[in-house]
Parts: sequence; C-alpha cells; structure tokens
Amino acid sequence: AQKVTQAQTEISVVEKEDVTLDCVYETRDTTYYLFWYKQPPSGELVFLIRRNSFDEQNEISGRYSWNFQKSTSSFNFTITASQVVDSAVYFCALIGGGTSYGKLTFGQGTILTVHP
Amino acid sequence: NAGVTQTPKFQVLKTGQSMTLQCAQDMNHNSMYWYRQDPGMGLRLIYYSASEGTTDKGEVPNGYNVSRLNKREFSLRLESAAPSQTSVYFCASRPGHFYSNQPQHFGDGTRLSIL
Repeated sequence: AQKVTQAQTEISVVEKEDVTLDCVYETRDTTYYLFWYKQPPSGELVFLIRRNSFDEQNEISGRYSWNFQKSTSSFNFTITASQVVDSAVYFCALIGGGTSYGKLTFGQGTILTVHP
Repeated sequence: NAGVTQTPKFQVLKTGQSMTLQCAQDMNHNSMYWYRQDPGMGLRLIYYSASEGTTDKGEVPNGYNVSRLNKREFSLRLESAAPSQTSVYFCASRPGHFYSNQPQHFGDGTRLSIL
C-alpha cells in the first residue's frame, strides 16, 4: 500500500513571505512518481510538477521550487515571495507500481491562505 | 480545447434517488478515473478505466457503478444515493499507457448533495 501525508492542514502567511508545504510519502516500489496539484478557490485541479523516483534533482520554476529527498521520503514545495493568487489547496500525490499502477494516491491537502 | 468535461456541475438528490454523472474527454486519452473529494481527506479513487472496455475498483467503490461507454466517455452511477455520498466528484483522464507517469487532467468537478 502507498500513502501520502501532508502534515500541515492549513497555513496562513502574509504576502511576500516564503512558505514551504511538506509532503512525506510511503511506498514499497523502487520506481514511483510524485506530483503536486493546486486547487484554487474556483475548484479545478491544476497540475504543477511531476518528479520521477530516479531523479532527485531539485526544480525551480519562477517562485516555485521543489525539494525531493528519497532518504527522508519527502517531496516539499516552497513558494518564494508568496502572493494572494497563491491562495489555494495544494495536494501532493504519488503513483507507484504493482497493484497501484496508474492510480494516484493523494495527500489530505494543505490549505494555503496568503493575506495582503 | 475542452479537455475533460463533467456534467452536471451541481446536483441535489434525495436519499434513495439514482443519478449518473457524465464525463467526456476530447484528448484521446486511454485511461480515465473517478475521484471523490471530501474535506480533510484529499481525493480518493472510486473507479478507473485503464482502457476502453475495462473498468476496475479503486479505493472507495461501494455504492457506485461505472461505464466506459467508449474511449471518450466514462460515467459514474449512484443507484441509490445516500447522504454519505455527498461530495465533490472529479473525473480525470491521462495520456499514454496505463503504466506511464503522465499527469492526470481533471474536469472541473460535480458538487453533489444528498439530503
């Protein structure tokens, strides 16, 4: 079985603060894929990033960065200089192998509120 | 480019009523999925279809049935709705073969309330 845990249920910051959303996963598979999705107040799910288990390079995309560490089974997401438009629910998710092939397992989600 | 289209967007049912949620994708994706989203629980997989003609149970299939009508369409049916099925339902599709690592594309969701 696989599991994704997002320890922070809610985070509240003031605009321009940096914020990190934590994600810890469990899987017995040696090959797996990790994802982050954003769900803004409008409700749709927006794909942000995919990371393969054999690629531990960190990634930066504008104000977003992701830190993947296999040794601690973590895939954390940092927003630098947060903005009000970053307010959303963020989900970390995992696709493993075996009987979990093709099926996303989601974390519980972290509600991020950025205040002006 | 419509992507994944879900209908209806909102629905209120009475306990015991039946209903079918429709989902269609125009991206020629092989795999399709139904999830439900409940507060504090993320999204949980109800059923999925790895390819046209096949369907399989996910994490929470009880009380639901699905039909993969063709490659484009994947419907979710509640035969006898219960208040515990009040939720937001998302349909998703994914390109490539079932074991690929391509991200899923989601519809906008259906908000279903059962009284």
